[in-house]
Amino acid sequence: LAKTTQPISMDSYEGQEVNITCSHNNIATNDYITWYQQFPSQGPRFIIQGYKTKVTNEVASLFIPADRKSSTLSLPRVSLSDTAVYYCLVGDLDSGGYQKVTFGTGTKLQVIP
Amino acid sequence: EPEVTQTPSHQVTQMGQEVILRCVPISNHLYFYWYRQILGQKVEFLVSFYNNEISEKSEIFDDQFSVERPDGSNFTLKIRSTKLEDSAMYFCASRGGQARGTEAFFGQGTRLTVV
Repeated sequence: LAKTTQPISMDSYEGQEVNITCSHNNIATNDYITWYQQFPSQGPRFIIQGYKTKVTNEVASLFIPADRKSSTLSLPRVSLSDTAVYYCLVGDLDSGGYQKVTFGTGTKLQVIP
Repeated sequence: EPEVTQTPSHQVTQMGQEVILRCVPISNHLYFYWYRQILGQKVEFLVSFYNNEISEKSEIFDDQFSVERPDGSNFTLKIRSTKLEDSAMYFCASRGGQARGTEAFFGQGTRLTVV
């Protein structure tokens, strides 16, 4: 299973765009990249998932370069309620590999007023 | 929006006692999971369950743990003889199918405190 590396923490002011990058150098051909958000004492919540190029939904965008060795989660115009831990997961959904991974330390985002 | 429901939200038990954590996955989901998170630490995979049997389990999921889907709606995690180090948040998750793009939905968790 691909190992992921993320910054431990980030600070951002309200209203700014936040980009969190995840490195996954040994990503496999069938692996997808998925990001989850977790608030204290709550379960992780799915944000976005992608395989290559760019994916956008109502919450975030995910940028994946051609070599897929990294990915960047982009949160537009963050608010105080976006303060949370963000996890990058890499795995193959079809084999179930994605689901059995440990989440990793994640990136603790602190949004400042 | 459909959600995964876990009960109780908080359970306190004495060391050596058996506990059962309960989960109601999203209706018509096929894959079920248990994770745990010790305070301040990572979310760790415990076990996945599909077609009424365990499909994957981690080294954490030893003989003290068992899972069951006793009826069409509940999914339970049993810890036979709790230890102090079992104190953690336990999250249940469910997923619709194996097709790519079917993300896992997590419950709000059960905080287990072993005293």
